[in-house]
Amino acid sequence: GAVVSQHPSWVICKSGTSVKIECRSLDFQATTMFWYRQFPKQSLMLMATSNEGSKATYEQGVEKDKFLINHASLTLSTLTVTSAHPEDSSFYICSAGTSNTGELFFGEGSRLTVL
Amino acid sequence: AQSVTQPDIHITVSEGASLELRCNYSYGATPYLFWYVQSPGQGLQLLLKYFSGDTLVQGIKGFEAEFKRSQSSFNLRKPSVHWSDAAEYFCAVGAGGTASKLTFGTGTRLQVTL
Repeated sequence: GAVVSQHPSWVICKSGTSVKIECRSLDFQATTMFWYRQFPKQSLMLMATSNEGSKATYEQGVEKDKFLINHASLTLSTLTVTSAHPEDSSFYICSAGTSNTGELFFGEGSRLTVL
Repeated sequence: AQSVTQPDIHITVSEGASLELRCNYSYGATPYLFWYVQSPGQGLQLLLKYFSGDTLVQGIKGFEAEFKRSQSSFNLRKPSVHWSDAAEYFCAVGAGGTASKLTFGTGTRLQVTL
């Protein structure tokens, strides 16, 4: 099956710094990628839809200036958490879809800890 | 808007016993339905999906699920659970008539006793 890879798998940063997480589709082109956030022992909450070559669409309540999403190519989307604070600590998961089946493939997730 | 309910937060079964995880959805049209499994600290792995056709779908690892429109349900089953099946299971529904934008249930944590 298709593979989606995230990097880094985990990151620890100081409060106030920015962190970038990459999501790559390794063996297919993804016109659309999705970013989810998962708090401990909770479900995945969709943050935004990332479209190649255009601005991301954010879900209600998600600060677009804090969570910057860039989808510069058909195989790469990045999520940058700007001026991170401890409350931004979470597990971030991306998914990518193919245009053929609409089926989604998920990355391994990136755990962010803000000190 | 669509929604997914997984009534059971935590289920414990003995190894070798049968398993059924419940999932109810709310969506106006024919939904795209999915079951995913997540091991601790890992991403999600697709177990199976329903788009159309046969309402009983077979997935990986011996799992199956049955779409019942009349009950708005898509319950996941496995006849004999293995200790390695212990994980978090998420039911999801695709939004807007697509399989792309997913709404997830709150998950069911499966514990398997030996």
